[in-house]
Amino acid sequence: AQKVTQAQTEISVVEKEDVTLDCVYETRDTTYYLFWYKQPPSGELVFLIRRNSFDEQNEISGRYSWNFQKSTSSFNFTITASQVVDSAVYFCALRPSGGSYIPTFGRGTSLIVHP
Amino acid sequence: DAMVIQNPRYQVTQFGKPVTLSCSQTLNHNVMYWYQQKSSQAPKLLFHYYDKDFNNEADTPDNFQSRRPNTSFCFLDIRSPGLGDAAMYLCATSRAGARDRGEQFFGPGTRLTVL
Repeated sequence: AQKVTQAQTEISVVEKEDVTLDCVYETRDTTYYLFWYKQPPSGELVFLIRRNSFDEQNEISGRYSWNFQKSTSSFNFTITASQVVDSAVYFCALRPSGGSYIPTFGRGTSLIVHP
Repeated sequence: DAMVIQNPRYQVTQFGKPVTLSCSQTLNHNVMYWYQQKSSQAPKLLFHYYDKDFNNEADTPDNFQSRRPNTSFCFLDIRSPGLGDAAMYLCATSRAGARDRGEQFFGPGTRLTVL
């Protein structure tokens, strides 16, 4: 069984603050993928990043960075210098890398960035 | 641009009146998914296709049916919508087999209102 926990239901910050969204997962699979998706108010889920379980290298993309730590089963997402356009619901997801094509989603974290 | 398209974006129907939602993709992906998403919740998988192979989730009500006449199109039929079926319906695709990289590509969603 797989499980993804996003303990933060809602986070409210002021523009230009840094914010970290937490994601903790459970799986018995030895190889798997982890993902982050962004869902703005318009409703479409937008893929942000994929991480393979064998690749613990952290990644930075502009103001976004991701910290994958297999030892703590965490895949956290940090937005630096947040902007109003970052306001959205962010979902963390987990999927085995072979066999099943079905991801398990966390409950999502709603990020509100105030001007 | 290759994409996932959903029509209509907004659908209003009456209690018990059948409705069909459509999804098309230009990505040539093998796997297509239908999700139901209610307010402040994660997307809930209803069913998915691997090519023409249909996979129903155990807790998907019989009221929900799906068709995939070809690689590009997939339909969600709600035979007798109830008030509890009002939600956002999301279509997604992903690659499979050797081309599988794990992530899903989502359409913009259809917001269903049941009167």
